Order: sequence, then structure tokens, then C-alpha cells
Amino acid sequence: SQKIEQNSEALNIQEGKTATLTCNYTNYSPAYLQWYRQDPGRGPVFLLLIRENEKEKRKERLKVTFDTTLKQSLFHVTASQPADSATYLCALDIPRAGNNRKLIWGLGTSLAVNP
Amino acid sequence: EAGVTQFPSHSVIEKGQTVTLRCDPISGHDNLYWYRRVMGKEIKFLLHFVKESKQDESGMPNNRFLAERTGGTYSTLKVQPAELEDSGVYFCASSPPSTGRLGEQYFGPGTRLTVT
Repeated sequence: SQKIEQNSEALNIQEGKTATLTCNYTNYSPAYLQWYRQDPGRGPVFLLLIRENEKEKRKERLKVTFDTTLKQSLFHVTASQPADSATYLCALDIPRAGNNRKLIWGLGTSLAVNP
Repeated sequence: EAGVTQFPSHSVIEKGQTVTLRCDPISGHDNLYWYRRVMGKEIKFLLHFVKESKQDESGMPNNRFLAERTGGTYSTLKVQPAELEDSGVYFCASSPPSTGRLGEQYFGPGTRLTVT
């Protein structure tokens, strides 16, 4: 069956360290992969998009890698801060005919950065 | 710039009743999406509008769900009659026309629906 797996256990790290979150998928061939952040009671907020032909993408303290052979994306938060504490969601961006796109979501990984 | 807004933020209804959720996308965003997250499960796609046209409604659970987007502006999602399994958080998202930024969707805060 088609599925997306993210670290199911919450990740607790010390402030200043690098957090690495994993997103693995099977039976999909996404053209893009997106990462979102979600805080309690809020909707997801877009962070980064990486294309299938890109190996790595960076935005400030965030870095995403995308390995279509391994069917895996890694999401890194460097020099982490307590404000980075949130749930991070991986979503496969599946283009379809015409103007259609569809996001297929993982369950998310909770990150807690301790001061 | 105002973000995506949803109303109500919470709704508690009894099984068999009707509920209508509303989403106001960001002005100028042709694409509007509805998603649902049931507790303990991942976010699931429901449907996609481009302006007033339904592009993809493959995620709609059954014919108790009806989505409309009159005039290509705000959208409503009606559940009639509601069942217990309809409980969850309903998110709306919008994105610019296809010539705009690729892929990024802007989400509203969600409507938490509880069917008792």
C-alpha cells in the first residue's frame, strides 16, 4: 500500500543542537516534497519545497534533502531554539493532469527543543 | 495581507444534524483545498477547487458531504446528515494561480467538528 512514514516518537533535543527528522515513503513518485510546521490549534505553515531533481534545499537554519532512490527526505533544524518546538509534517506533492495538485501527508513528528 | 480564515473555529453537533463550514481564501488565490484530520490520523485531502470549478473531489468521503464555491471566492463545506465518524479538524488551504509560486499552500486555522 502507499504510505508515508515519519518518526512516530517525539524528538527532544537540547537548544543549539541540530534536529533531524525523517520522512520515508513507498509506492509514490512525487515530483516535489514539502515540509510544513504545525503549532497546536493552528493550521500547517509552509516551510520548504524540494523538487525531485534537487538533492538539497536550505532556508535560514533549515535544510531539506531529498533522495528519490531511497524514497526519503531528511529535515534538519540547525542551531535549534525553543521556538522551533512544534510538529513538523512531510507532504508529498503529487502533480496530476492539468492544474491539479494533491498533497499526501505524513502523520508528523513532534519536536521539543529544551532550553 | 489577510490569511485564510475559517468559520466557525469549533462546532459541536448531534448525529443527524447539519453543519456548514466556511472558508475565505486569500484574495486572488484561485486554488482552494479542503482537508480533514481525524484524531490520530494524517491529514487527508478532500477536494480542490480552481475558481468555482471542482477540479478533484476524489477525497470526499461520501455524498453526505457537499462543497461549493460560488463566484470563485469563499467556499462552504456542508455535512448532512452528520455521523460520528465525521468528527475531526477540517482545514482549508489556498494557493495562487498556477503561474504563481509553485506548490506552497496557505492554510487556515481549521474548524474542529465534534459530532456527538
